[in-house]
Amino acid sequence: GAVVSQHPSWVICKSGTSVKIECRSLDFQATTMFWYRQFPKQSLMLMATSNEGSKATYEQGVEKDKFLINHASLTLSTLTVTSAHPEDSSFYICSADRTSVPGYEQYFGPGTRLTVT
Amino acid sequence: TQLLEQSPQFLSIQEGENLTVYCNSSSVFSSLQWYRQEPGEGPVLLVTVVTGGEVKKLKRLTFQFGDARKDSSLHITAAQPGDTGLYLCAGAPNTGNQFYFGTGTSLTVIP
Repeated sequence: GAVVSQHPSWVICKSGTSVKIECRSLDFQATTMFWYRQFPKQSLMLMATSNEGSKATYEQGVEKDKFLINHASLTLSTLTVTSAHPEDSSFYICSADRTSVPGYEQYFGPGTRLTVT
Repeated sequence: TQLLEQSPQFLSIQEGENLTVYCNSSSVFSSLQWYRQEPGEGPVLLVTVVTGGEVKKLKRLTFQFGDARKDSSLHITAAQPGDTGLYLCAGAPNTGNQFYFGTGTSLTVIP
């Protein structure tokens, strides 16, 4: 099966610091990865589309300077939350597009719980 | 952003009952997926539908894609406590390969 991992699983940081979250596709190459955020008892909100070797495409209302995305290889994308504030506390989930499979199927990571104090 | 509305938002039923969750939009999607998510975990893909009118069955779960590819439904027969979770539909617009998630349906099956 297609496996996507995220690291760390959870992180607590102080307000004003930056946090990096990694998303890896373990057994397939992913040209495209996606980053979502999810608040408690709510659905997933697409933040950005990350393409290997090019700049990420951000959804409307998402600050690109605050949520830095780097897709350095076909198996790794990173999301850096810069100058984090308590309102950035959320569940961040990535997914990877296994483009060799028709139907645009995504496989999701287990998520990263970020708490900013 | 493509808006996908799910109904109901919350559903609490007794074990053995049947239920249907709806996912509606005014937009047309090239494909639509259903996921189930448990607290603190990522969503797990249940099914992908790509053809208007398509019906897929997965054990006690039946998924249908609307003829116009704007809506979908998930029907669960004889619900079990293990079916408890957040059910999410997600649609891919005709252009691009992003998926936009529906508003979610939180299901609780009481033993």
